Amino acid sequence: SQQGEEDPQALSIQEGENATMNCSYKTSINNLQWYRQNSGRGLVHLILIRSNEREKHSGRLRVTLDTSKKSSSLLITASRAADTASYFCATFYSGNTPLVFGKGTRLSVIA
Amino acid sequence: NAGVTQTPKFQVLKTGQSMTLQCAQDMNHNSMYWYRQDPGMGLRLIYYSASEGTTDKGEVPNGYNVSRLNKREFSLRLESAAPSQTSVYFCASRLAGGPDTQYFGPGTRLTVL
Repeated sequence: SQQGEEDPQALSIQEGENATMNCSYKTSINNLQWYRQNSGRGLVHLILIRSNEREKHSGRLRVTLDTSKKSSSLLITASRAADTASYFCATFYSGNTPLVFGKGTRLSVIA
Repeated sequence: NAGVTQTPKFQVLKTGQSMTLQCAQDMNHNSMYWYRQDPGMGLRLIYYSASEGTTDKGEVPNGYNVSRLNKREFSLRLESAAPSQTSVYFCASRLAGGPDTQYFGPGTRLTVL
């Protein structure tokens, strides 16, 4: 399977702290995306980083990509209780191939 | 602009019954996807349709069939439901050739007794 792997599987932090999640994948990619899923809901796209980019920011989100190590990290700064959700990385390879999703990291932010 | 819609939201079936999950998108997307999500397994692709008139198997197609009815609609059929098909099913769509973001529906929670 080409499925990516997120690490850790679960993370619990206090409000105001930073949360870091990692994703590893197996083969060369066109881009890597992060999605968020609130309990009982569908996934929502957060941010996309292309293979020729090393870092990208969006509000309190910072994503890095290291293609030599085939890994990415998602940093959420100054976390809030509302950030409690599952976070998935997804890799896109080429053409019309579907995204390949990892198993996700469950983040709990305690107020 | 409703995005991706799925019906029904919840369904309970008995083993051996059949049903069709409906998905529609109003974003003029070319590609549509069906995933299932089980605890600890992430999202696994069942079938996808890269464009109207084409369908392809994903990672876990056994026990399912799909129909790309038109550009808007992509349905998933369980011909003879089994308890192993108890899951949450998500439909998604993407504009092939455009931004690579996939847009997801709210999901259908299916229980097979």
